[in-house]
Amino acid sequence: GESVGLHLPTLSVQEGDNSIINCAYSNSASDYFIWYKQESGKGPQFIIDIRSNMDKRQGQRVTVLLNKTVKHLSLQIAATQPGDSAVYFCAENLRGNEKLTFGTGTRLTIIP
Amino acid sequence: EAGVTQFPSHSVIEKGQTVTLRCDPISGHDNLYWYRRVMGKEIKFLLHFVKESKQDESGMPNNRFLAERTGGTYSTLKVQPAELEDSGVYFCASSPSLSYGYTFGSGTRLTVV
Repeated sequence: GESVGLHLPTLSVQEGDNSIINCAYSNSASDYFIWYKQESGKGPQFIIDIRSNMDKRQGQRVTVLLNKTVKHLSLQIAATQPGDSAVYFCAENLRGNEKLTFGTGTRLTIIP
Repeated sequence: EAGVTQFPSHSVIEKGQTVTLRCDPISGHDNLYWYRRVMGKEIKFLLHFVKESKQDESGMPNNRFLAERTGGTYSTLKVQPAELEDSGVYFCASSPSLSYGYTFGSGTRLTVV
């Protein structure tokens, strides 16, 4: 079956540095991609999304890059803060389908 | 605006018992979804309601799981009888449509012992 995978399960970054979380997907028909942040005891929280007709989208301190050629998605967090420590999930959606397929998640730890 | 509310937040039950999880979506959201995360793995889709109708239940693992959404408001997910492998965090989400994104609840952590 199709899957969304993450290259690294854990990532530690010094506070103030930039972080990059990567995600690989295998379904070329995926049309919509979302990054979620999950803090302990909370549900996934929407961070940023991107559609397949774009290759970059920026938010506040976050940037999502989409490389359809190699089916790769990344989340860049600039100037990391302690509050950025969480598990980050990428998710993909197939056109015309309401469900999301999630990756395993990457635990990001910001070192003070 | 109240978010998606799930109850209980934690549940510990013995193998063979029955547990019912509840989800109250954001008012006015026709779409309601159930997902679960088992043993630190990926979050997996269980099913999708549009109002009171099951739009997609392809992710339901077996017939021990029963989801309902009577009246198109809140939803329940019953596990009967519970097995050890059912342990995990069950998330509910709602949305006007996927184009507007999901809002997830905080989840119910289910532990079957």
